[in-house]
Amino acid sequence: KQEVTQIPAALSVPEGENLVLNCSFTDSAIYNLQWFRQDPGKGLTSLLLIQSSQREQTSGRLNASLDKSSGRSTLYIAASQPGDSATYLCAVPDSNYQLIWGAGTKLIIKP
Amino acid sequence: GAGVSQSPSNKVTEKGKDVELRCDPISGHTALYWYRQRLGQGLEFLIYFQGNSAPDKSGLPSDRFSAERTGESVSTLTIQRTQQEDSAVYLCASSLRGGPNTDTQYFGPGTRLTVL
Repeated sequence: KQEVTQIPAALSVPEGENLVLNCSFTDSAIYNLQWFRQDPGKGLTSLLLIQSSQREQTSGRLNASLDKSSGRSTLYIAASQPGDSATYLCAVPDSNYQLIWGAGTKLIIKP
Repeated sequence: GAGVSQSPSNKVTEKGKDVELRCDPISGHTALYWYRQRLGQGLEFLIYFQGNSAPDKSGLPSDRFSAERTGESVSTLTIQRTQQEDSAVYLCASSLRGGPNTDTQYFGPGTRLTVL
């Protein structure tokens, strides 16, 4: 059974710093991996999707990497801004194509 | 174009009443998903539609929960005889493709259900 873990559970850093969020999964036979952000009281926003054949994806200041063999993905945020404050979630589809979610990393960027 | 929309945005109901939640996916998206998120907890998968069919209903918490999708478009999630533990935000998502070729899921704003 696929399990997804995110470390750390919470992170607080000063504005301008670069940071890395971690996601690990137990079953490396994944189709893809998605990173989302969730803002309080709002829905989920998809940030990046990495296909199983890819090693990384970039969107603006965000870069997500995928290492299937080790069951890990990282989300790198460059030059963090207060607007980046949110909960970041990673998810992978299981054999029934349901998304299995990590518990998230709550990120606070201090001005 | 328009994103995923859900209605109502908020629903307060009394224990034992039935509620119906609606999801309008992005036009042309063949896959539709329902999730539940209780306060302070992670997302819980409920059901997935490929077209109008639901290959797997095992995520539905009990037989009080049912869902349907028509016209490969709108979906409704019905909760009968609501209980206080049903209180949560119910999120709907759609993706262009489902199954093994599943791609980016786009989420609606959710329906916050409160059962008194």
